[in-house]
Amino acid sequence: QSALTQPASVSGSPGQSITISCTGTSSDVGGYNYVSWYQQHPGKAPKLMIYDVSNRPSGVSNRFSGSKSGNTASLTISGLQAEDEADYYCSSYTSSSTPNWVFGGGTKLTVL
Amino acid sequence: QVQLVESGGGVVQPGRSLRLSCAASGFTFSSYAMHWVRQAPGKGLEWVAVISYDGSNKYYADSVKGRFTISRDNSKNTLYLQMNSLRAEDTAVYYCAREEEPFTIFGVVPIWGQGTLVTVSS
Repeated sequence: QSALTQPASVSGSPGQSITISCTGTSSDVGGYNYVSWYQQHPGKAPKLMIYDVSNRPSGVSNRFSGSKSGNTASLTISGLQAEDEADYYCSSYTSSSTPNWVFGGGTKLTVL
Repeated sequence: QVQLVESGGGVVQPGRSLRLSCAASGFTFSSYAMHWVRQAPGKGLEWVAVISYDGSNKYYADSVKGRFTISRDNSKNTLYLQMNSLRAEDTAVYYCAREEEPFTIFGVVPIWGQGTLVTVSS
């Protein structure tokens, strides 16, 4: 299974909006609406932020939103806050002979 | 509260075996599929394996297929990962994680343990 492609880093100032892309293929991101996004602070376990492309779990700020176009999914964070600085990973179900899941390489978000 | 606690990590020589455990509490363990996800030092997340709520279905990443076995004991609320023929590239923090919805496997995992470190080195 090949990892999904994410930019290594993005940055933004407090209050601004940023978007992180996640590019796959028609066998994963483009073929299914099972794209999730996770936030991970250093030394901590990942936290689910978005699932099924655009759904937010209870308790996740509505500043976080997800979308998908073709083989590329996107995570948008609006009104950037200092605590948003973290690593972000996308994941997707991927078709093969058996069910599998694949993660992106991760994006380091820096709040300037 | 909902909690997952991994154990069993440590330093092991290449080619040897290790078994990880994940103790679950605060929810009906026997109703949820469970995953193992790992993260090599300074690297990204890698999905390892998943087991259905009743243990009848198990799926693995190609990188561990044939070497790792996922299992569960619903009477003990515990998930396991038996790791054989370990390699240096298996060095990682191993997380257990729970599916979002009962009786499903969609790869949506809102509940994670704190992780246990496995180091494969001679």
